[in-house]
Amino acid sequence: SYEVTQSLSVSVALGQTARITCGGDNIGSKNVHWYQQRPGQAPVLVIYRDTNRPSGIPDRFSGSNSGNTATLTISRAQAGDEADYHCHVWDSSTVVFGGGTTLTVL
Amino acid sequence: QVQLQESGPGLVKPSETLSLTCTVSGGPINNYYWSWIRQPPGKGLEWIGYIFQSGSTKYNPSLKSRVTILLDTSKNQFSLKLSSVTAADTAVYYCAKNRVGLAPFYFYMDVWGKGTTVTVSS
Repeated sequence: SYEVTQSLSVSVALGQTARITCGGDNIGSKNVHWYQQRPGQAPVLVIYRDTNRPSGIPDRFSGSNSGNTATLTISRAQAGDEADYHCHVWDSSTVVFGGGTTLTVL
Repeated sequence: QVQLQESGPGLVKPSETLSLTCTVSGGPINNYYWSWIRQPPGKGLEWIGYIFQSGSTKYNPSLKSRVTILLDTSKNQFSLKLSSVTAADTAVYYCAKNRVGLAPFYFYMDVWGKGTTVTVSS
């Protein structure tokens, strides 16, 4: 079965750029979607189909996907960006989630 | 703006059936795909399955033998039944609305409910 890997944690200084990755075999050929989950809250879609932002999501959030890695980039990181970030793809008729990455803003 | 609300028992005994309902407000339940997702304590997300307006379903292979998702268009609700539960089924359960494209194919969750905690314990 297809596997999606994410780093357990990423740290970023306030105001700097955070990059959270989602790895998988030829993941660049799949659509990758990203969710932000603040503590105690439900996930919120922040990027869909690799690069698209839903309305209401700041343009500080961007996505890319190529080769074996998809990346969620958060520019000018703010304290409110501290959260878990989950990616997922569709493979073999099922949703496959990565394990999630905890972003810490220092 | 579509909103989702999960409801159901917070405590289920081992070997029994977990039953949850998701009530959709702010829009019709027709014409969309609807999913259930769960998150065990301290762990990542796990997709359980979806249902479409026609009643067609698809389930996570790891849970397929125990899962049933049903649609009640008259009440604008869909439901989850998970049989023969064990402690490993303890989790926050979310319902979500899906966006689906067929050519090219894509599938993601664009609206989520707030989640409901289900504990499996005697």
